[in-house]
Amino acid sequence: DADVTQTPRNRITKTGKRIMLECSQTKGHDRMYWYRQDPGLGLRLIYYSFDVKDINKGEISDGYSVSRQAQAKFSLSLESAIPNQTALYFCATSDPGLAGGTGELFFGEGSRLTVL
Amino acid sequence: AQKVTQAQTEISVVEKEDVTLDCVYETRDTTYYLFWYKQPPSGELVFLIRRNSFDEQNEISGRYSWNFQKSTSSFNFTITASQVVDSAVYFCANYFGGGADGLTFGKGTHLIIQP
Repeated sequence: DADVTQTPRNRITKTGKRIMLECSQTKGHDRMYWYRQDPGLGLRLIYYSFDVKDINKGEISDGYSVSRQAQAKFSLSLESAIPNQTALYFCATSDPGLAGGTGELFFGEGSRLTVL
Repeated sequence: AQKVTQAQTEISVVEKEDVTLDCVYETRDTTYYLFWYKQPPSGELVFLIRRNSFDEQNEISGRYSWNFQKSTSSFNFTITASQVVDSAVYFCANYFGGGADGLTFGKGTHLIIQP
């Protein structure tokens, strides 16, 4: 099984619907992230969490919210989905952080969301 | 956010050619970290390297090498004797710390290795 698991892997929904993307990790890492990937734009940070009690906005947090239910779980919600939120979403973890250890981010396989 | 620029949107070369992917970064800090990630057609993101701002030595790992030059704010990536399996989108990214977290990615370079 993958160390960082995202569900669902694919989702098609309609404008105005509430959507939750879930991320679960078995790496025991404190830091978790949500990124969005759009063709030609690279990856952009939506939210990040240092630990269960510390959640922070990233570059493009408008229209999104997150919940860190436990060290292992970090969920991304779109309260009212709109078509320009159609994208590939990645969850990632790191420990001890980008400046420590190898600095590696461990990514999930991605969740492809289409908003019609 | 302090930007990372990958000016090459797409590069196509024939197998066994050498190829260099360019990365230029902005910085206002003396301490920062630069990264390269690979995204093959299967879609996963693969960590390749992190380089610290205080270590300007070039890095070589097999056919991969990285040239870090503070004078030009560049962290270029060269693949020697390219192979079809090197076909992927490659992302350069940076991290400046300062209490915030998360990488700032460039837009990526799509590398196509033709047989």
